[in-house]
Amino acid sequence: LAKTTQPISMDSYEGQEVNITCSHNNIATNDYITWYQQFPSQGPRFIIQGYKTKVTNEVASLFIPADRKSSTLSLPRVSLSDTAVYYCLVGVRDYKLSFGAGTTVTVRA
Amino acid sequence: GAGVSQSPRYKVAKRGQDVALRCDPISGHVSLFWYQQALGQGPEFLTYFQNEAQLDKSGLPSDRFFAERPEGSVSTLKIQRTQQEDSAVYLCASSFSGGTGGEQYFGPGTRLTVT
Repeated sequence: LAKTTQPISMDSYEGQEVNITCSHNNIATNDYITWYQQFPSQGPRFIIQGYKTKVTNEVASLFIPADRKSSTLSLPRVSLSDTAVYYCLVGVRDYKLSFGAGTTVTVRA
Repeated sequence: GAGVSQSPRYKVAKRGQDVALRCDPISGHVSLFWYQQALGQGPEFLTYFQNEAQLDKSGLPSDRFFAERPEGSVSTLKIQRTQQEDSAVYLCASSFSGGTGGEQYFGPGTRLTVT
């Protein structure tokens, strides 16, 4: 499984865009990049998944450069309810999800 | 529709007691997973079922941990002779299939505290 590196924490304010970059230098050709979100006292929730370029859904965008050695999760116009831990996962080949410590995003009013 | 449910939500056990944690997956989901999440850490894989078959139990930390899914739906994670290091949140997840794709649906977890 590819090792990922992401910031431990990030602070933001309501209405701002939050960008979380994840490094995965040894990503394999077949690996997808997946992001999960976890609120306190809840299980993780799938946010978005991509292989290359850009993926967008109603929650977030995922930007992946051509070399795929990193990816950036973009949360537009965050609100207080976006305060959570965000996990970058790479190498989800089958069923074992490998989460790491994640990035704690704190949104302030 | 109903998501993954787990019970109890909180469990306090004295060291040496046995505990049983229940998971009700989303109806129709073939695959079921158990994870352990220590405080401040991400979840770590414990075991995986496809229907009633336990296909991978490589993440179970010791032989005191046992999981079953006898009818391919509800699953129980049992921990015998609990130790303080077993204190954690135990998360259950299910997915429609167990293949690649990565989208697993998680329950709220059971917080186990061993005193």
